[in-house]
Amino acid sequence: DGGITQSPKYLFRKEGQNVTLSCEQNLNHDAMYWYRQDPGQGLRLIYYSQIVNDFQKGDIAEGYSVSREKKESFPLTVTSAQKNPTAFYLCASSMVWDRLTYEQYFGPGTRLTVT
Amino acid sequence: AQSVSQHNHHVILSEAASLELGCNYSYGGTVNLFWYVQYPGQHLQLLLKYFSGDPLVKGIKGFEAEFIKSKFSFNLRKPSVQWSDTAEYFCALESGGGADGLTFGKGTHLIIQP
Repeated sequence: DGGITQSPKYLFRKEGQNVTLSCEQNLNHDAMYWYRQDPGQGLRLIYYSQIVNDFQKGDIAEGYSVSREKKESFPLTVTSAQKNPTAFYLCASSMVWDRLTYEQYFGPGTRLTVT
Repeated sequence: AQSVSQHNHHVILSEAASLELGCNYSYGGTVNLFWYVQYPGQHLQLLLKYFSGDPLVKGIKGFEAEFIKSKFSFNLRKPSVQWSDTAEYFCALESGGGADGLTFGKGTHLIIQP
């Protein structure tokens, strides 16, 4: 059963703690992405990776970090430097061929609450 | 920098009414355009996409969208909505040339009353 898994579904942390959100895909997609969704704000791009061991900052990368050691995995760390970390985080992946991308497939999301 | 604007944040319709959700974008080059839908409690999923060719694209569940380049628009339409169309709808843009991520509009929350 191919798809994108994100765990956990709900995550609670105390302010000042770093937290890592998991994203795994078995679609054999080259590119992976992290978005943040806030009510009334749509989705905003945090980081993306087109290939293993390489990633780029998106529009709102401050306070976040990522790694891409394996093709199927793209974990996101929300650091204590992120001023408003409480949000719904969505991971996505897409196939890339000859620098053209195809539609993105999204995971179920992780709702992070920081108090 | 590119941007996407969705005109209506909340839309309430009765079943069988016709639907049109507006989407305008700002970008001077080649674009790929998408409409995604998020049903309550479900994954974000693709409704339809425009990459090139026929500007009228058809998607799943009877939805269609028309790309009008001169107006920088990509409006979503459905002739007759159903209660099950209640969801959040997002228009998104990808600037042509690489897997650099999508730019989303802020979304339209559609409520269909039975």
